[in-house]
Amino acid sequence: EAQVTQNPRYLITVTGKKLTVTCSQNMNHEYMSWYRQDPGLGLRQIYYSMNVEVTDKGDVPEGYKVSRKEKRNFPLILESPSPNQTSLYFCASSFRWATGELFFGEGSRLTVL
Amino acid sequence: DQQVKQNSPSLSVQEGRISILNCDYTNSMFDYFLWYKKYPAEGPTFLISISSIKDKNEDGRFTVFLNKSAKHLSLHIVPSQPGDSAVYFCAASAGTASKLTFGTGTRLQVTL
Repeated sequence: EAQVTQNPRYLITVTGKKLTVTCSQNMNHEYMSWYRQDPGLGLRQIYYSMNVEVTDKGDVPEGYKVSRKEKRNFPLILESPSPNQTSLYFCASSFRWATGELFFGEGSRLTVL
Repeated sequence: DQQVKQNSPSLSVQEGRISILNCDYTNSMFDYFLWYKKYPAEGPTFLISISSIKDKNEDGRFTVFLNKSAKHLSLHIVPSQPGDSAVYFCAASAGTASKLTFGTGTRLQVTL
């Protein structure tokens, strides 16, 4: 089954404790991206990757890091989480970026205390 | 600065009637527009798209209209069904389309 898998789905952590949200897709997609969803703000792009070893900032990259060492994986790293990073995070991938038709994971709800 | 705006946070429509969801944008460089649907506890799923060279695109019960001069697009669902109850996001991209800019979403409830 074609899918984008995120882990963990739910996480409660404390300020400053490094964490990684993993994202993996099995569709051989070149493009991958991370979004966060907050009430009243919709979905905002954090980082994206056009291909292996090619990453770039989205609209809200502060406090996040990413890497793309393999085509299928695109982990999101919070080196020192803060309460304002409490959010619902979505990973997405696309085969033909020009169409903008993204396949999304089910989301990871992160709470930073 | 919200470049893609969905000014109606919610909409309630009776089953069988038409649902019209609206979206406005400010960036004149946007040339590709999409609608996504999101159910609770799931990720958004692609619904329909339209290029700026068109003013209408239809897929079954779903039609998207684009008015470039007004910088406005709308999604029509006819007839509306209870399974259409979800949050709908419009999104737009420009040029190389390395990113999508999303609106804030409209929650559609289709009542019996």
